[in-house]
Amino acid sequence: AQTVTQSQPEMSVQEAETVTLSCTYDTSESDYYLFWYKQPPSRQMILVIRQEAYKQQNATENRFSVNFQKAAKSFSLKISDSQLGDAAMYFCAYRSASGTASKLTFGTGTRLQVTL
Amino acid sequence: KAGVTQTPRYLIKTRGQQVTLSCSPISGHRSVSWYQQTPGQGLQFLFEYFSETQRNKGNFPGRFSGRQFSNSRSEMNVSTLELGDSALYLCASTQGAFGTEAFFGQGTRLTVV
Repeated sequence: AQTVTQSQPEMSVQEAETVTLSCTYDTSESDYYLFWYKQPPSRQMILVIRQEAYKQQNATENRFSVNFQKAAKSFSLKISDSQLGDAAMYFCAYRSASGTASKLTFGTGTRLQVTL
Repeated sequence: KAGVTQTPRYLIKTRGQQVTLSCSPISGHRSVSWYQQTPGQGLQFLFEYFSETQRNKGNFPGRFSGRQFSNSRSEMNVSTLELGDSALYLCASTQGAFGTEAFFGQGTRLTVV
């Protein structure tokens, strides 16, 4: 079974600064997808960024980028130029690429505080 | 395009009762998954439906069940409610059999008293 570990329960960053959230995972599969989801106080999970395991290039979405290290099974999220609206719970998630099931395995989350 | 809609948003039930939660996926999406979110256990996968068939199930007791209708709308049912069933229940829809991006609803907050 796959597992996802987020070792930072809470992180804090000053507005306009950069912060990196860590995620490691364990799997015996070679093909899979990794995601970062954001859950603000409204509770709705919002997809931040996605990475396909077969792609060596790190995904980037505006101020959000990942550092995907497949051999190390590491998938960290970097938020640049942090904004107050970035404050939320961030979840790292894994999805197998084999078969058709869409099950996501989540980490325990990191609560990000953004301060002035 | 409307997002994933979950109803109701909040529910308070008594131990021993049963409850039904509803999820309407994004138009055109045929896969619906359910997750339970609690402070202690985090986000846990309940089950997934595609074209009215359950194709994956998490490690939950048989009190938790679900179904999907021909219009892709899904319901989950919890019978004989326990205090530990208090949680945020999230529904996610995915397009097609191989859709990779899951879109979530705002969840149903269930409180069992």
